[in-house]
Amino acid sequence: KAGVTQTPRYLIKTRGQQVTLSCSPISGHRSVSWYQQTPGQGLQFLFEYFSETQRNKGNFPGRFSGRQFSNSRSEMNVSTLELGDSALYLCASSLVTPWGATGELFFGEGSRLTVL
Amino acid sequence: TQLLEQSPQFLSIQEGENLTVYCNSSSVFSSLQWYRQEPGEGPVLLVTVVTGGEVKKLKRLTFQFGDARKDSSLHITAAQPGDTGLYLCAVLGGGSNYKLTFGKGTLLTVNP
Repeated sequence: KAGVTQTPRYLIKTRGQQVTLSCSPISGHRSVSWYQQTPGQGLQFLFEYFSETQRNKGNFPGRFSGRQFSNSRSEMNVSTLELGDSALYLCASSLVTPWGATGELFFGEGSRLTVL
Repeated sequence: TQLLEQSPQFLSIQEGENLTVYCNSSSVFSSLQWYRQEPGEGPVLLVTVVTGGEVKKLKRLTFQFGDARKDSSLHITAAQPGDTGLYLCAVLGGGSNYKLTFGKGTLLTVNP
């Protein structure tokens, strides 16, 4: 079965620009989470979506936003890019059963963003 | 303050050696997960431990959850170059079953 697909894999932007990253979850997975990974801070939670609703948000400024579509695909957007936004952005999907989350995340390969 | 402290931060060893990495916290958790992230890839779940004192084995990898459910260790026997990667521990938290909090990881390099 196909894994989590993230596009683009690599991108370079300049300060002040905005960027949109895309994530297609594993078929049947309705929960999609986004994480930012940097050498200094490690993996940090951005937000989580389920059935097109944001259920959780991490401690990131409002420049970071996301959404989820009816087919469970998700996008995240970063506006007014700063140098510190350079990172690997990871998307993960999870199977949510009627009795709750399984707690297992399946990650994509990530989108490597470089801000110049 | 980091919720999960992982040590060591970096570890470089020769093929065939044994090693142990640690994940510590002052908080109690209902469960703890270990992930491995290889270069250019996303993290992949290795194991979930849920019971204090639990020991789980995955081939040459042995995972242990502390009796008080505050810490965990990962022991690798006879390490191989294919074990190279970033080992991350993670817990569900923040009042949500849908948010994982990760440690910063141990970057392991196994030299042939």
